[in-house]
Amino acid sequence: QKEVEQNSGPLSVPEGAIASLNCTYSDRVSQSFFWYRQYSGKSPELIMSIYSNGDKEDGRFTAQLNKASQYVSLLIRDSQPSDSATYLCAVTGSGGSNYKLTFGKGTLLTVNP
Amino acid sequence: DVKVTQSSRYLVKRTGEKVFLECVQDMDHENMFWYRQDPGLGLRLIYFSYDVKMKEKGDIPEGYSVSREKKERFSLILESASTNQTSMYLCASSLLAGGPQNEQFFGPGTRLTVL
Repeated sequence: QKEVEQNSGPLSVPEGAIASLNCTYSDRVSQSFFWYRQYSGKSPELIMSIYSNGDKEDGRFTAQLNKASQYVSLLIRDSQPSDSATYLCAVTGSGGSNYKLTFGKGTLLTVNP
Repeated sequence: DVKVTQSSRYLVKRTGEKVFLECVQDMDHENMFWYRQDPGLGLRLIYFSYDVKMKEKGDIPEGYSVSREKKERFSLILESASTNQTSMYLCASSLLAGGPQNEQFFGPGTRLTVL
């Protein structure tokens, strides 16, 4: 059973701080990794995707991937109250099921003004 | 922008009713998915379709069926609704398998209550 693990939180940070969200996955041959943001009562929204080892930056967001450690993270710089949401990590399957995503249960982030 | 729409935001049905949830995407995506999301259980895949008239069971297909007669439309059917099917139902689509094309985009969700 492929698994994606996230700390459930809540993770609480002050406004302007860096929020660090972590995710580990069990399928060693997973190829694609995604971070979704989900506001309460809304559907998940894709915010970052990463496919190769290292860092990928997009505005205030940085995704980091370490395939050897089976670890992917999301850093949010200069956190804002509007970043308060649940963040879902998602990982593709391997081989013939590489269009399926396995989701973690999410980390609830609260940014305090 | 990819747009995925779902027929209802909120739906209330009675036990034993047949329920249809409709999903439409406007970006010519090959793959479409139905998930349900419950507190503490996360997102769970019910069914997915990788082509018209093609479908494959996900992790929790029991009590559900699907239909994909046109590329842009994917329907989820609850043959006889039960109270344990009360949930948030999310439809998603992705362009292709592999690489950036398997990013999934979600519709707004349907919150279904079965009484």
